[in-house]
Amino acid sequence: DAGITQSPRYKITETGRQVTLMCHQTWSHSYMFWYRQDLGHGLRLIYYSAAADITDKGEVPDGYVVSRSKTENFPLTLESATRSQTSVYFCASSEVNTEAFFGQGTRLTVV
Amino acid sequence: QQQVKQSPQSLIVQKGGISIINCAYENTAFDYFPWYQQFPGKGPALLIAIRPDVSEKKEGRFTISFNKSAKQFSLHIMDSQPGDSATYFCAARSGHGGATNKLIFGTGTLLAVQP
Repeated sequence: DAGITQSPRYKITETGRQVTLMCHQTWSHSYMFWYRQDLGHGLRLIYYSAAADITDKGEVPDGYVVSRSKTENFPLTLESATRSQTSVYFCASSEVNTEAFFGQGTRLTVV
Repeated sequence: QQQVKQSPQSLIVQKGGISIINCAYENTAFDYFPWYQQFPGKGPALLIAIRPDVSEKKEGRFTISFNKSAKQFSLHIMDSQPGDSATYFCAARSGHGGATNKLIFGTGTLLAVQP
């Protein structure tokens, strides 16, 4: 199916564990983004990528790692999860100066 | 640092009424201003967008008003319907060279349209 998909949709993990959220898009868009959504803060950019092997920090990158070895995939890793990283995470993709398309989100709970 | 400020945080409107959500920005390099609509359990989806060379853009019941000198823009939903109940986000993007292409979002407005 064409589009942008995130997995898993829901995840519960323990403090200190490493967890990876997956994002896959089928449009071959150049740009991919990771946002977190928290009440009162809206959507905040964690990391973004302009192309394969090119990534850069957004507003709230601390505690997160990304990679982009293939154009279609943009995984987000929490190296040592903390309770403050409990959130809903959204992946998005776009071409230059075009609409950004969002995935369905991953609800992550760190206990 | 919140580069895009959005208000109100929540809004209740009667069916058929006008919903108005306001946003203000600081960075004059922004040159693309979209509004996204998000239903519970879903990702945000583009609703309507404007560039600063026009003062208004209308698509059906949705209108963006843009005031470049005041660095403000707003979303007007005419004849609001219960199906419009959702969270609305304004956003802004700098198009300088397309170098980053990243969207900066406001904090969101939860709209409830009462039947």
